[in-house]
Amino acid sequence: AQKVTQAQTEISVVEKEDVTLDCVYETRDTTYYLFWYKQPPSGELVFLIRRNSFDEQNEISGRYSWNFQKSTSSFNFTITASQVVDSAVYFCALSEILDYGGSQGNLIFGKGTKLSVKP
Amino acid sequence: AAGVIQSPRHLIKEKRETATLKCYPIPRHDTVYWYQQGPGQDPQFLISFYEKMQSDKGSIPDRFSAQQFSDYHSELNMSSLELGDSALYFCASGQALDTQYFGPGTRLTVL
Repeated sequence: AQKVTQAQTEISVVEKEDVTLDCVYETRDTTYYLFWYKQPPSGELVFLIRRNSFDEQNEISGRYSWNFQKSTSSFNFTITASQVVDSAVYFCALSEILDYGGSQGNLIFGKGTKLSVKP
Repeated sequence: AAGVIQSPRHLIKEKRETATLKCYPIPRHDTVYWYQQGPGQDPQFLISFYEKMQSDKGSIPDRFSAQQFSDYHSELNMSSLELGDSALYFCASGQALDTQYFGPGTRLTVL
């Protein structure tokens, strides 16, 4: 069975601090996708990144960076120099690739980490 | 760029009533997914459609049904509403191996 674990329920930091959100996943599939979504207080789910299981390259996008390590089944997310606008719930998610149509399966989410960035 | 459209954005219903939520996927996306997010919870997969056929089913109650129409929009029908159905309902769309993009959600409140 597939499972995503985000052990950190809530994190509170002061602006400009760096913060890392942990994500550990379980799957028997050899091919899968990993995601991070941001959910601000307004409620929408904002896509941040998708990673293919074959691509273990780390990625950086502005203040955001992601570290994918297949050996430890982890896909961690770091925000550098955090800002108040980063305050949100962050979800890590996993999906399989379905045989028919080569399409993506449904997302399995972790419980989310609530990040509070204080000025 | 066009996004996923959901309507209505907010809906208030009484217990035992019915509700219909609508989703208009991004043009040319062939797959629609429905998720339910209870207060303080993570989104839970309900059901998905690929090329207008049901493709996968998650934890969708028997009181709920859904379909995808010829124009690719999808509707989630919910009957005999219960207090526990109060949640944020998301629709997402995708094409083949493309990322799932979420709509803004419909907030359903059952009184």
